[in-house]
Amino acid sequence: EVQLVESGGGLVQPGGSLRLSCAASGFTLRDYAMHWVRQAPGKGLEWVSGISWNSGSIGYADSVKGRFTISRDNAKNSLDLQMNTLRADDTAFYHCVKGYSSSSAGSFDSWGQGTLVTVSS
Amino acid sequence: QPVLTQPTSLSASPGTSARFTCTLRSGIDVGPHRIYWYQQKTGSLPRYLLRYNSDSDNQLASGVPSRFSGSKDASSNAGLLLISGLQSEDEADYYCAMWYSTTWVFGGGTKLTVL
Repeated sequence: EVQLVESGGGLVQPGGSLRLSCAASGFTLRDYAMHWVRQAPGKGLEWVSGISWNSGSIGYADSVKGRFTISRDNAKNSLDLQMNTLRADDTAFYHCVKGYSSSSAGSFDSWGQGTLVTVSS
Repeated sequence: QPVLTQPTSLSASPGTSARFTCTLRSGIDVGPHRIYWYQQKTGSLPRYLLRYNSDSDNQLASGVPSRFSGSKDASSNAGLLLISGLQSEDEADYYCAMWYSTTWVFGGGTKLTVL
């Protein structure tokens, strides 16, 4: 069974930083692209970033480009998201999402429960 | 203007059909793009339903009933999700998504009320 467990969320002041992590199990991480998708409370889904199986292809939403960095460690079955210069509109649940294939273009398969990031003074 | 636009809400009666639209921004042709559909019930994670590009390039996710189907309307430049034989359990938010310019884009979602 695929399991994706996010951690690292919390309350941070505007301009601050957080690092989210996702522990993956139940599948071979190196075979799949991975993504971060966020959802503000009561709002819709927003793709944040995606990374191909070998980190050869990385993409970001325009809203986070230059501020967020995605990375993965296939040997440790983990996915990270470094978030810098956080803004109030970054407040959301951040979900770790398994891709449908090794390519970032392969859509979304399984979702983690998410970790809440709150940006507020 | 967003890349993908969905109506905010839709209501339909049990046993009837619901048609969801996902309209692409002017200048982006729906023709070559795969449109993906996700269902999210209140308090639950999104669930992949299907993708549709053409009659020869489409996929219904494992476990999704065949009363869910996808199509396109070239005249309105939109991807479509059709649910037939509506059931109360279909009440949820429905999101379309598309891989565009090396990024993923979601529509704003349509809330389906089954009344």
